[in-house]
Amino acid sequence: EAGVAQSPRYKIIEKRQSVAFWCNPISGHATLYWYQQILGQGPKLLIQFQNNGVVDDSQLPKDRFSAERLKGVDSTLKIQPAKLEDSAVYLCASSPKRGRTETQYFGPGTRLLVL
Amino acid sequence: DQQVKQNSPSLSVQEGRISILNCDYTNSMFDYFLWYKKYPAEGPTFLISISSIKDKNEDGRFTVFLNKSAKHLSLHIVPSQPGDSAVYFCAASARDNYGQNFVFGPGTRLSVLP
Repeated sequence: EAGVAQSPRYKIIEKRQSVAFWCNPISGHATLYWYQQILGQGPKLLIQFQNNGVVDDSQLPKDRFSAERLKGVDSTLKIQPAKLEDSAVYLCASSPKRGRTETQYFGPGTRLLVL
Repeated sequence: DQQVKQNSPSLSVQEGRISILNCDYTNSMFDYFLWYKKYPAEGPTFLISISSIKDKNEDGRFTVFLNKSAKHLSLHIVPSQPGDSAVYFCAASARDNYGQNFVFGPGTRLSVLP
């Protein structure tokens, strides 16, 4: 079974530029998560999708971050414009369905550096 | 305000000995806890979980202990192996309408020395 795929793996941009990350979850997984992991900290949930609907985006900085999951499969996370403090690893995870006891499977992450 | 704390950034243990990783939390509403392991350049992988109705959960070499009164949990790895060298994250969640919102600690880097 293929795992969660993410691209690109690395991205370097200048502040005020825009950037987009892509995630392909495990086939059949209804729930998809985007996390931000700043160096030295644990992952922080940005947004959670159930199929193509948003379940929780309470920690997403909506003035600059946006995410979508068209057709309930792939997802993209966009930052526009980027700030220096957005430098982090962006992790995508998926689980078969909603629920705290559902194991989340993480992708390898996209490491973003904003200069 | 950190709701989940892992006060030891790193830990070194000799192969074959016990590794004990600690985690403290402040939110008394947390009632479900996870441990994840992360290798460099990979995403975290689920290791073991525990619900607040239990005080211990065991899976092979891994055992998680929960002390609700102290708001403390620990992960024991016995015996430790070089392949256990990784960053370990503790995560906690409270029952809410969204169904799954975990707060992660900052992680502890475990090095198992051969």
